[in-house]
Amino acid sequence: QKEVEQDPGPLSVPEGAIVSLNCTYSNSAFQYFMWYRQYSRKGPELLMYTYSSGNKEDGRFTAQVDKSSKYISLFIRDSQPSDSATYLCAGDMRFGAGTRLTVKP
Amino acid sequence: GAVVSQHPSRVICKSGTSVKIECRSLDFQATTMFWYRQFPKQSLMLMATSNEGSKATYEQGVEKDKFLINHASLTLSTLTVTSAHPEDSSFYICSARDAGVGGEKLFFGSGTQLSVL
Repeated sequence: QKEVEQDPGPLSVPEGAIVSLNCTYSNSAFQYFMWYRQYSRKGPELLMYTYSSGNKEDGRFTAQVDKSSKYISLFIRDSQPSDSATYLCAGDMRFGAGTRLTVKP
Repeated sequence: GAVVSQHPSRVICKSGTSVKIECRSLDFQATTMFWYRQFPKQSLMLMATSNEGSKATYEQGVEKDKFLINHASLTLSTLTVTSAHPEDSSFYICSARDAGVGGEKLFFGSGTQLSVL
């Protein structure tokens, strides 16, 4: 079993939709959680970082962590075509498989 | 956010040659850097953890004699792919851990596309 599980998708939504990306993890020792966005053939870009249960908001992005159920989520409001990318969740230094998102105009 | 510089972004080499990839943290000191390999449409595969001033820790299945890692300073780690072969062709990405105020964060370089002919 992978330490971080993430549905690889692909996920396709219309422009303006709310996107929900989810991961589960198995290691209860994980202390911090991150979401990255990766465009094709580029290095991942840190989007959100959190180390506690609850919500953290930054612009159109909201990261949610539930340590009791070992569940992490990323919500994207008012999605744009430029949000089309692969989104990677991570617990400490362990990454999920990444979810490919396409936002159609 | 913090900046991690990775060079070169693309390299093409002949089979049997060695290739060095550099990873620099530009505005923070990184005692720990990580090297990943990524195949098309797949996630990051951690290859090794590079610790400043000590030997790298390699993940299971990664040949340490083939992928030489040197972390000589707090801002520079290098990965050398020795005697490269076509099967080593891949996208290599480094990251650096910034243990500053607010907790640890991981920042990535822009990646290096290695093509071995």
